[in-house]
Amino acid sequence: EVHLVESGGGLMQPGGSLRLSCAASGFTFSTYAMSWVRQAPGRGLEWVSGIRRDGGATDYTDSVKGRFTISRDNSKNTLYLQMNSLRAEDTAIYYCAKDSTTFVYWGQGTQVTVSS
Amino acid sequence: DIQMTQSPSSLSASVGDRVTFTCRASQSMRGSVNWYQQTTGKAPKLLIYASSALQEGVPSRFSGSGSGTEFTLTISSLQPEDFGTYFCQQTYSAPYNFGLGTKLEVK
Repeated sequence: EVHLVESGGGLMQPGGSLRLSCAASGFTFSTYAMSWVRQAPGRGLEWVSGIRRDGGATDYTDSVKGRFTISRDNSKNTLYLQMNSLRAEDTAIYYCAKDSTTFVYWGQGTQVTVSS
Repeated sequence: DIQMTQSPSSLSASVGDRVTFTCRASQSMRGSVNWYQQTTGKAPKLLIYASSALQEGVPSRFSGSGSGTEFTLTISSLQPEDFGTYFCQQTYSAPYNFGLGTKLEVK
């Protein structure tokens, strides 16, 4: 059974940094692209970033380019999202999702709150 | 970037009703649209992919159609577990934007 577990969220001041992790199990992690999707309070879903199965290619939505970095460690079956220069508008639940565009499997999400 | 516009933003319906959601894309993209259902406090659930393909395990009362810039999701006979928020998503090109959602409520 596919299992995705996010961690690393929390309360940060504007300008701060956080690293989110997503531990994957139940499938061969190294053979799938992975993605991060976020949802601001009471708002819709926003695709944030994706990474190819070998980590060789990455994509970002415009609002996080230059601030967020997606990466993966296939030896640890773990996906990461390094978030720098955090802004209030980054406040959201962050989900990791299996695959590059069509998301059958999601984690439970981790809350990131950016506030002074 | 391709923008996805959903309508209506909210909808009230009763069990047994036929319900249709609409999603319009800002540019033509063949059948590259997915539909998800989200209930309070849970991650989204994939219902339809590639515009009209029913995800495994999803009841056949759900159907999707459309191509180009206009796409629809239909529930043929609403069941109590179907209430929640429905999102469309384009998978044609990054960023793979979602619509803002249609909230389906009990009438």
